[in-house]
Amino acid sequence: SAVISQKPSRDICQRGTSLTIQCQVDSQVTMMFWYRQQPGQSLTLIATANQGSEATYESGFVIDKFPISRPNLTFSTLTVSNMSPEDSSIYLCSVNRMGYGYTFGSGTRLTVV
Amino acid sequence: KQEVTQIPAALSVPEGENLVLNCSFTDSAIYNLQWFRQDPGKGLTSLLLIQSSQREQTSGRLNASLDKSSGRSTLYIAASQPGDSATYLCAVNAGGTSYGKLTFGQGTILTVHP
Repeated sequence: SAVISQKPSRDICQRGTSLTIQCQVDSQVTMMFWYRQQPGQSLTLIATANQGSEATYESGFVIDKFPISRPNLTFSTLTVSNMSPEDSSIYLCSVNRMGYGYTFGSGTRLTVV
Repeated sequence: KQEVTQIPAALSVPEGENLVLNCSFTDSAIYNLQWFRQDPGKGLTSLLLIQSSQREQTSGRLNASLDKSSGRSTLYIAASQPGDSATYLCAVNAGGTSYGKLTFGQGTILTVHP
């Protein structure tokens, strides 16, 4: 299965600022997925990122708040913009390999103060 | 809309016990089902992937079964160890392809004490 490097692993940010999370995959993948896990909750899909096109956002998530870049087939970034304490969550990226299912990055634990 | 439920929400057992974690889903038209492990504050580690045509998958002390018609999957952990302590998540892919969207259960928090 794929190996994903995600960074930063954690950060503490001031409200009103932005944080960009990076994910690097060890091989080319068509789609990359970004999830949020709020405290005590399960995972919720934020958006699907395809190389060369706009990301597709799930209901309740908008591009202005969570802009995504996908410059090539091995890399993607998610930015959490104009942060508030409600954005404190674990953010995870994921890829899929046929026959292996989904693989996740190690997560970014974000605390907004 | 697919809904995934995991029972129990939390489980505490002594080391060495065999245990069963349950996952149920409302729409049986799934492509596959995946079990994950999550350590506190960390990402997810894939444990087992079961395709819709399969009945079970095994990896070491782990065995996952799938009964698609009844909308159920179980994860069996044999001879539990303290290192098995984690949250176990069940995720269903009902998207019709390998790239279908995952719907996650709320997880079972497992504590194995020495």
